Amino acid sequence: DAKTTQPTSMDCAEGRAANLPCNHSTISGNEYVYWYRQIHSQGPQYIIHGLKNNETNEMASLIITEDRKSSTLILPHATLRDTAVYYCIVRPMEYGNKLVFGAGTILRVKS
Amino acid sequence: DTEVTQTPKHLVMGMTNKKSLKCEQHMGHRAMYWYKQKAKKPPELMFVYSYEKLSINESVPSRFSPECPNSSLLNLHLHALQPEDSALYLCASSQDFGRGGSPLHFGNGTRLTVT
Repeated sequence: DAKTTQPTSMDCAEGRAANLPCNHSTISGNEYVYWYRQIHSQGPQYIIHGLKNNETNEMASLIITEDRKSSTLILPHATLRDTAVYYCIVRPMEYGNKLVFGAGTILRVKS
Repeated sequence: DTEVTQTPKHLVMGMTNKKSLKCEQHMGHRAMYWYKQKAKKPPELMFVYSYEKLSINESVPSRFSPECPNSSLLNLHLHALQPEDSALYLCASSQDFGRGGSPLHFGNGTRLTVT
């Protein structure tokens, strides 16, 4: 399975956009990019996933580079409640695939 | 709030006790998962059930025994645990286990302390 590299931690001012990078340079053509977050004392929360195209939902946008070797999760207007650990995960398409978590990025949103 | 419900939220048990963790979902999902998360570490996969059959056991010690009585329920039976088994146990479900495009939805976990 492809591995991901994320910064250990990031800070963001409340109300500003939070841009969380992820490097997945060994990703293959049949692997999705997933993003989850985990707020303290809660279970991981699904945010978004994509294959090749950029994706947007009510929580965030996912920008995947054309060569698919990196991606950025964008939270357009960060709030204090967005403080969490954010996990970027590469997940194969085929049957029997697993969701394997890496270390993630601690995002601290500050007022 | 999540659509995957785990009970109890907290559990303290001795090393000689037998206890069970329960997980329930009513989203019609056919794949269910157990993860274990130690403090300040990412979740680690333990078991996967697909259509009520065990599909993956990540070499978990036999003192952890999973059970899937039906498509909505998942149990984790615990027996003769060690203090190092203290962790947050997370349950998740997904539409199926066949496609990578099916997101997992997690419960908020059971925090287990083994004394």
